[in-house]
Amino acid sequence: ILNVEQSPQSLHVQEGDSTNFTCSFPSSNFYALHWYRWETAKSPEALFVMTLNGDEKKKGRISATLNTKEGYSYLYIKGSQPEDSATYLCAVYNTDKLIFGTGTRLQVFP
Amino acid sequence: EPEVTQTPSHQVTQMGQEVILRCVPISNHLYFYWYRQILGQKVEFLVSFYNNEISEKSEIFDDQFSVERPDGSNFTLKIRSTKLEDSAMYFCASIQGTGSYGYTFGSGTRLTIV
Repeated sequence: ILNVEQSPQSLHVQEGDSTNFTCSFPSSNFYALHWYRWETAKSPEALFVMTLNGDEKKKGRISATLNTKEGYSYLYIKGSQPEDSATYLCAVYNTDKLIFGTGTRLQVFP
Repeated sequence: EPEVTQTPSHQVTQMGQEVILRCVPISNHLYFYWYRQILGQKVEFLVSFYNNEISEKSEIFDDQFSVERPDGSNFTLKIRSTKLEDSAMYFCASIQGTGSYGYTFGSGTRLTIV
């Protein structure tokens, strides 16, 4: 069974701090890695879909990198804001389904 | 921006009863999914649906569960003879193509079995 792990489980940072989280996954038979941002009472929202080793993607203050050979992806948030508070989920796409990690719950304090 | 709509947002059902969760996927999307998250656990795949039939299902998706796309717009998940352990947040999602596209998720139905 494919296992996706995320760390840390939760993170509390001060407004303005930069932060990063890790997603690790088996490197064999890799197809795509998804990152989602999930605010309480809302839909998980797609941030990035990454497929190539060495991929780097950016959306405003949020960026992600992918290493398929060693099986990990990093999500970075530069200058965290209170509105960044959410759970960040990574998921590996495998034969027509997403396999999710446990998520990292980020809380940004003003 | 197009949305995936799920109803109801909350559902409380007596154990043993049947429940139907409803979803309206994005109209030009081709692939439809149900996922669920039991409190404190990972989001887990239940079933994928393409071209009016199930394309893949997980071990969780046994005979108690069924999906339908009755009218070309709604996509429903039926759970028969509900059990306490079916209590979870159920998410519907749709995508236009394959896994190289981000999924569009609904905001979920919180199902509580009592």
